[in-house]
This record gives sequence, C-alpha cells and structure tokens, in this order.
Amino acid sequence: AQSVTQPDARVTVSEGASLQLRCKYSSSVTPYLFWYVQYPRQGLQLLLKYYSGDPVVQGVNGFEAEFSKSNSSFHLRKASVHWSDSAVYFCAAWGAKLTFGGGTRLTVRP
Amino acid sequence: DAAVTQKPRYLIKMKGQEAEMKCIPEKGHTAVFWYQQKQSKELKFLIYFQNQQPLDQIDMVKERFSAVCPSSSLCSLGIRTCEAEDSALYLCSSSQRKYEQYFGPGTRLTVL
Repeated sequence: AQSVTQPDARVTVSEGASLQLRCKYSSSVTPYLFWYVQYPRQGLQLLLKYYSGDPVVQGVNGFEAEFSKSNSSFHLRKASVHWSDSAVYFCAAWGAKLTFGGGTRLTVRP
Repeated sequence: DAAVTQKPRYLIKMKGQEAEMKCIPEKGHTAVFWYQQKQSKELKFLIYFQNQQPLDQIDMVKERFSAVCPSSSLCSLGIRTCEAEDSALYLCSSSQRKYEQYFGPGTRLTVL
C-alpha cells in the first residue's frame, strides 16, 4: 500500500533563513507527487507538482521541490522564508488515490 | 480565479442531529472528492465522484453519511446522526484529472 511520511511534525526557522521540509513516499511505482499548503482556517492550496522529467520542480511563492527516486523522497525547499510562509505543509502522492502525509507545521520567527 | 466553493463555512450541531454541507466544484471539473481533517492533521479520504457517480467510498460513509452530486455544479455531504467524533474540517476538492486536485476552504463542523 502506498504511504507518505513527513518526519518533522513541526519546524521553526527565522525569517530570511533557508527551508527544507522532508517527504518520503512508499510505493511500488513512482507516483505523482504534490506539495500543498494550508493557511489557518483555510483549505489546501497546491504549491507544486511532479509527474516526470526534471527532478527539480518550481512552484509558487519561490518554493521548489526535488524528486529523488533512489531515496523515495520529494523534499520541499525555499531559499529565504517570510513570516507569511507560516502554515501547515502537506506532501501527497497519487497512486490509485491521493495519499497525504501527516503534515509539517512551519513557524517562521520574525 | 476559478475556485471550489464550500458552504457553510461553519456548522454547529447537537449530538444526534443531521448535518449537511455543500460543495460547488470548479467549472469543468468532473471529479469531486470529500475528505475529513481533524486538528490540521492528515486528510482522510471519504468519497469520490466521477461525473456525478460515486465510484469509491470508505465504509464509514456507507454506514453513516449521505453523499450525492445532483448536478455537475453541486455536491453535498450529509451526516445522518452526528456524533462527537464527527467534529472536523470537511474538505471538498475537484479535478479534471483525478490526481491534480483543487480544494475548497472547507466546512468546519462542531458537534456538541
């Protein structure tokens, strides 16, 4: 069965620092991969997606993610975070259905 | 921008009451999904519609929920008899391709 793991439930960084949020997936085939962000009292917004090709994909608001087949990972990165990036970030994988990780709550200190 | 709409945003019910929430999918999207989320944690899949037909659902939905899409522009999710454990954020998403889903803001249900 497919599964998605986000090992860090909470991450705190200072404004202007770089960021990496980790995501590992377990699947017999390479799934389609996604990162979503959930701001307080809102639904999920699609940040970026990976289907195939270049392992580094660009998303909105300066986010990017890198797919690694050998590590079964799809980590999210940002070079310089802003306080408004504080939110919960979900990694998701599509096999027969969309499977979500448990989420990482990001807090950006001003 | 096109968007998925959900109503109401907040719903308060007493234990044993019926609850109903609605979703208006993005125009042109043929797939609609419902998820349950508790305390900003992972989303739990509930049910999936393709062209208004339910194609997949979990047992809990079969037993205690009612879900329909009477038109391509409206879907609803109901709980026949609310229980405290049903308190959660209910998220609707729609998609042209099942795997790329766009979410509404959710309906937050509180069962007292």
